Amino acid sequence: SQQGEEDPQALSIQEGENATMNCSYKTSINNLQWYRQNSGRGLVHLILIRSNEREKHSGRLRVTLDTSKKSSSLLITASRAADTASYFCATDAIGANSKLTFGKGITLSVRP
Amino acid sequence: DAGITQSPRYKITETGRQVTLMCHQTWSHSYMFWYRQDLGHGLRLIYYSAAADITDKGEVPDGYVVSRSKTENFPLTLESATRSQTSVYFCASREGNTEAFFGQGTRLTVV
Repeated sequence: SQQGEEDPQALSIQEGENATMNCSYKTSINNLQWYRQNSGRGLVHLILIRSNEREKHSGRLRVTLDTSKKSSSLLITASRAADTASYFCATDAIGANSKLTFGKGITLSVRP
Repeated sequence: DAGITQSPRYKITETGRQVTLMCHQTWSHSYMFWYRQDLGHGLRLIYYSAAADITDKGEVPDGYVVSRSKTENFPLTLESATRSQTSVYFCASREGNTEAFFGQGTRLTVV
């Protein structure tokens, strides 16, 4: 069964707007990661947040983690057409022997 | 070139045939993984390996076999391909609880 569930499934915004994507998970984690996938390509790691961290930034990305609610959010600020892609959260569960479990993904479309 | 590479990129095979998908990484990462990606299901783990000669099942292992005789290689074999195994297959590697690196994927069609 999949650990992470992203919300919404699809998001369409105008260039320059912010995009917020959410992920909920079920078990205790070591860390949570976000990945991006452009159409027809492999996944690329964006950011990792550890279970003892609450917020992390990387360029235009901001990730938050609430372990009490078992949820995370990914914020992309000032979106660009090039941000159009699928985004996945992945959980590194405690006791899972470094297996990463992925959600079904969010399709983000940024309109020029 | 450093990285993780999969071969072939595209494969068409017939039902019942055996097919092997190759994965090679140059970092000597301990962990390697095989996922399949299908519309509506996201990525599902097929098999993973924590080190050479150590493999374990993931969420959807039936119909697949893996081996890891060398740290850098992690081939995935479909022993008798079925149409339900038509999918995009991704190999990944990581070291401990860090980021994972993915190959470009293999698009497999079983006819």
